[in-house]
Amino acid sequence: SQELEQSPQSLIVQEGKNLTINCTSSKTLYGLYWYKQKYGEGLIFLMMLQKGGEEKSHEKITAKLDEKKQQSSLHITASQPSHAGIYLCGADGRNDMRFGAGTRLTVKP
Amino acid sequence: ETGVTQTPRHLVMGMTNKKSLKCEQHLGHNAMYWYKQSAKKPLELMFVYNFKEQTENNSVPSRFSPECPNSSHLFLHLHTLQPEDSALYLCASSRGGTYNEQFFGPGTRLTVL
Repeated sequence: SQELEQSPQSLIVQEGKNLTINCTSSKTLYGLYWYKQKYGEGLIFLMMLQKGGEEKSHEKITAKLDEKKQQSSLHITASQPSHAGIYLCGADGRNDMRFGAGTRLTVKP
Repeated sequence: ETGVTQTPRHLVMGMTNKKSLKCEQHLGHNAMYWYKQSAKKPLELMFVYNFKEQTENNSVPSRFSPECPNSSHLFLHLHTLQPEDSALYLCASSRGGTYNEQFFGPGTRLTVL
């Protein structure tokens, strides 16, 4: 099975600071998804990456997939309280769909 | 509004009860999924339906029984559950094929007493 490791597990930042969350796979990724979840609620799709070296941005969030397609990072610039939540990476395996354990982000005003 | 609705949002049941969770998607998608999210554990894929056919069953105990009568509706029938089955159950849908961009419902918070 494909395992996804996310780091850090939790993160507390001051409003306005930049931050990065990482997602590492034990196998080559066919597709990598980033989601955000508010506690006890459903997941909100953020971005999908498929090609090695691909980078996508939406508002202040940028996601990258490395050339080997085994590691992805999610970068938030000038964080705001609205960015708080749990960020999960998910991956297409060949016959499977797995998620990382999540990174809990707290943004202090 | 994600286009995927789940009912009920909260459910408390005893171990001898039988209940059902319902999921409905209004997105015209052809694939639907059930996930289990327990505290401090990664999201676990339980069942996948593609064009109403079950294509994945990740070693889920038989006390969980899925039903997909059409591509817009998905049910999870529950019977004789255990306290460790308490979790957030999430439904998702996607356009088709497998595992492309998924849209999630808000989840059902299940507590088994």
